[in-house]
Amino acid sequence: DSGVTQTPKHLITATGQRVTLRCSPRSGDLSVYWYQQSLDQGLQFLIQYYNGEERAKGNILERFSAQQFPDLHSELNLSSLELGDSALYFCASSVGTSGNTGELFFGEGSRLTVL
Amino acid sequence: GEDVEQSLFLSVREGDSSVINCTYTDSSSTYLYWYKQEPGAGLQLLTYIFSNMDMKQDQRLTVLLNKKDKHLSLRIADTQTGDSAIYFCADLMDTGRRALTFGSGTRLQVQP
Repeated sequence: DSGVTQTPKHLITATGQRVTLRCSPRSGDLSVYWYQQSLDQGLQFLIQYYNGEERAKGNILERFSAQQFPDLHSELNLSSLELGDSALYFCASSVGTSGNTGELFFGEGSRLTVL
Repeated sequence: GEDVEQSLFLSVREGDSSVINCTYTDSSSTYLYWYKQEPGAGLQLLTYIFSNMDMKQDQRLTVLLNKKDKHLSLRIADTQTGDSAIYFCADLMDTGRRALTFGSGTRLQVQP
């Protein structure tokens, strides 16, 4: 158990809909990262938050947004869903944003299926 | 841009050694990592190596880093069926964003 909790574990929805994925980082971790894992794209970095502020942005679509709340949990919002958004979405957390060994602790992922 | 590449599949027999290879493009990488993903689970850190090291050994795992060629390898000695999983290499750049960049993963299949 990594200590990172993601909900829901599975989600099935239709094209055009909007969903929210939730992540609770490990106790004491200030950074939260979102990754998308799909069969054809591998593991793609989407976005990072540190202590409530956006710190880095990767290959995140404009239809997607995220935020980190004062209690450090994070939500990833996916809107106007397309078939190609079907993937496993991972949240990871780490102690800080610089220094240390950069180790990330991953949740078990939220599997999104868009029909 | 930054890129990390791995071969997609490796099959070995139980008891043999497995060697999973990875190449990366960014010379400013500070740490390089090996993560393991078992079916239905998230990624779990196996080991990491700092960029000024050539080798790191941890029980059955040996990591070799050739910084000149930007090549990283993971050797698993006495491979067991429980080692069957997807193995990801990742690197952390010294500058810019602090998120890890992952390779596409190598699926290791261990034949009994």
